[in-house]
Amino acid sequence: GQQLNQSPQSMFIQEGEDVSMNCTSSSIFNTWLWYKQDPGEGPVLLIALYKAGELTSNGRLTAQFGITRKDSFLNISASIPSDVGIYFCAGINMIYNQGGKLIFGQGTELSVKP
Amino acid sequence: EAEVAQSPRYKITEKSQAVAFWCDPISGHATLYWYRQILGQGPELLVQFQDESVVDDSQLPKDRFSAERLKGVDSTLKIQPAELGDSAMYLCASSSPWGGTGEQFFGPGTRLTVL
Repeated sequence: GQQLNQSPQSMFIQEGEDVSMNCTSSSIFNTWLWYKQDPGEGPVLLIALYKAGELTSNGRLTAQFGITRKDSFLNISASIPSDVGIYFCAGINMIYNQGGKLIFGQGTELSVKP
Repeated sequence: EAEVAQSPRYKITEKSQAVAFWCDPISGHATLYWYRQILGQGPELLVQFQDESVVDDSQLPKDRFSAERLKGVDSTLKIQPAELGDSAMYLCASSSPWGGTGEQFFGPGTRLTVL
């Protein structure tokens, strides 16, 4: 099925370092979402972006909706061990009153060394 | 805090057997989704409900998979007969389309292993 191109696939960093990951698509989306998934659990929503150019923060997390509406990035500042997990981007084209299908990236697996 | 509930959390079955998964969305959420996630990949949509009606089931293998949401609240996904390739995480999500935010909230998933 259709998927977004997410990079990097994996990262191994030292505690305290900043992290950056991004997602690109050949299609335009009107909403970008970023999720974190722990092993054996469902994805948890971190940040939602609704407008091209929008920059949104959630604690140490910052995400941006690309101007072209075909890309998004997520930054994590001052990483801590509990940031370990798999981060997914997801694009959606909302259909009014009917929600919409999320298209997911392949995920970025983050490992943090204390 | 409101959550999406799923059961069972884990299911082991033999191929050719029937399995069923249950999902209870966040109260008031009219839209319910079933996704399948193969290990190492992102989730992919199987079926989307708006209340009790199917909005999108284009990726649902209808020869063996079925889904229902009879009263527009909780939902059941069934596989009959199960095949080895069905081993995956089955995730349920819900959203409230009114207001159009698009945010989907996921349950903990059901991990299916077909032997």
